[in-house]
Amino acid sequence: DAGITQSPRHKVTETGTPVTLRCHQTENHRYMYWYRQDPGHGLRLIHYSYGVKDTDKGEVSDGYSVSRSKTEDFLLTLESATSSQTSVYFCAISGGYRSPLHFGNGTRLTVT
Amino acid sequence: EDKVVQSPLSLVVHEGDTVTLNCSYEVTNFRSLLWYKQEKKAPTFLFMLTSSGIEKKSGRLSSILDKKELFSILNITATQTGDSAVYLCAVETLPLTTSGTYKYIFGTGTRLKVLA
Repeated sequence: DAGITQSPRHKVTETGTPVTLRCHQTENHRYMYWYRQDPGHGLRLIHYSYGVKDTDKGEVSDGYSVSRSKTEDFLLTLESATSSQTSVYFCAISGGYRSPLHFGNGTRLTVT
Repeated sequence: EDKVVQSPLSLVVHEGDTVTLNCSYEVTNFRSLLWYKQEKKAPTFLFMLTSSGIEKKSGRLSSILDKKELFSILNITATQTGDSAVYLCAVETLPLTTSGTYKYIFGTGTRLKVLA
């Protein structure tokens, strides 16, 4: 299994609070991605990173920010959580061109 | 807009049946097509397809890509209850407006249930 660890595994938070999810990899891969998975929508890309301090937006980036200060860590922050951000969040990594995407075990976030 | 469409949305079969799952796509700068199996947790990688007409096979699972007609199929023969899962199709693309980062666009999946 690809060395990807997400934390926390589960989190319940209240509307309006900031939340940070962490993804840590031991594969030294350049590319890292944050997806959210919701029934009926599949996996949707939130943000991605193509190197340290290099990040860009995906298709559902509103309300989220990311940071990557080290190759191995990619953080996803919900600045002010809303109930619509209740979801399962997956971090994924890739070695690049024609390289499979490998996923972490996910974080189940509930915003009440 | 890039999109990946899977069919059927769900499927119920009996053990021993053969199933065919479909994935069609419309993307710019296609690089590869990937299949994943998702049970209760994270998607796990099954196949990557890059060339038309070349079958990839792993045990009872096989897959093929048609880059002219823009689709792929995933076949599972002699299904078992352990094959019950959501099967995801994804396409790797290189959008023209990025800094050179490959993106993976997913379909919504096919939910397969295999009855004993």
